[in-house]
Amino acid sequence: QKEVEQDPGPLSVPEGAIVSLNCTYSNSAFQYFMWYRQYSRKGPELLMYTYSSGNKEDGRFTAQVDKSSKYISLFIRDSQPSDSATYLCAMSRAYGNNRLAFGKGNQVVVIP
Amino acid sequence: EAQVTQNPRYLITVTGKKLTVTCSQNMNHEYMSWYRQDPGLGLRQIYYSMNVEVTDKGDVPEGYKVSRKEKRNFPLILESPSPNQTSLYFCASSSSGTGLSYPYEQYFGPGTRLTVT
Repeated sequence: QKEVEQDPGPLSVPEGAIVSLNCTYSNSAFQYFMWYRQYSRKGPELLMYTYSSGNKEDGRFTAQVDKSSKYISLFIRDSQPSDSATYLCAMSRAYGNNRLAFGKGNQVVVIP
Repeated sequence: EAQVTQNPRYLITVTGKKLTVTCSQNMNHEYMSWYRQDPGLGLRQIYYSMNVEVTDKGDVPEGYKVSRKEKRNFPLILESPSPNQTSLYFCASSSSGTGLSYPYEQYFGPGTRLTVT
């Protein structure tokens, strides 16, 4: 079983819809949870991060972590064509350990 | 401007011809890493370095070498490239976690698309 599972299936939504992405993981030692956004022909960029369980909101983006279920989610409200990108979840074990375990990524297309 | 640079951005080569992909960062980061990204497999770590002269294998190190002689540079070396190393390669760096900056924000370079025929 891979440490981080993210269904890589592409997702197409109409502009203004809510986008819901998720990842599951198997390693209970993960404590830091991140979402990276990758535009075509670019390197990934950090979008949001959370520590342990809970929710975090940043504008139209909400990240949720449920450590008891080993499940994390990213929601994009009022999606825009500029949100079209690949979204990768990433996790890290402990402070001072910079190694990240990445999911495969979800390609999201927001149709105007 | 804070950035990670990689060169070359595109490279087509033949099996067995040694090549080096350079990576440089100007943020004084201690941690640097190389990834490869393949369709359906996502980002996989090849090698990482916690600081100068300290390197370790990631998840897919076979066929690659690295060195970290200076803090800012972390080249990736393919001694004898093979077609299965055709991929998109990313270099990344991050701070050690001291201070107030979030330690897990890895800054990625623009990528190097390598084709081995």
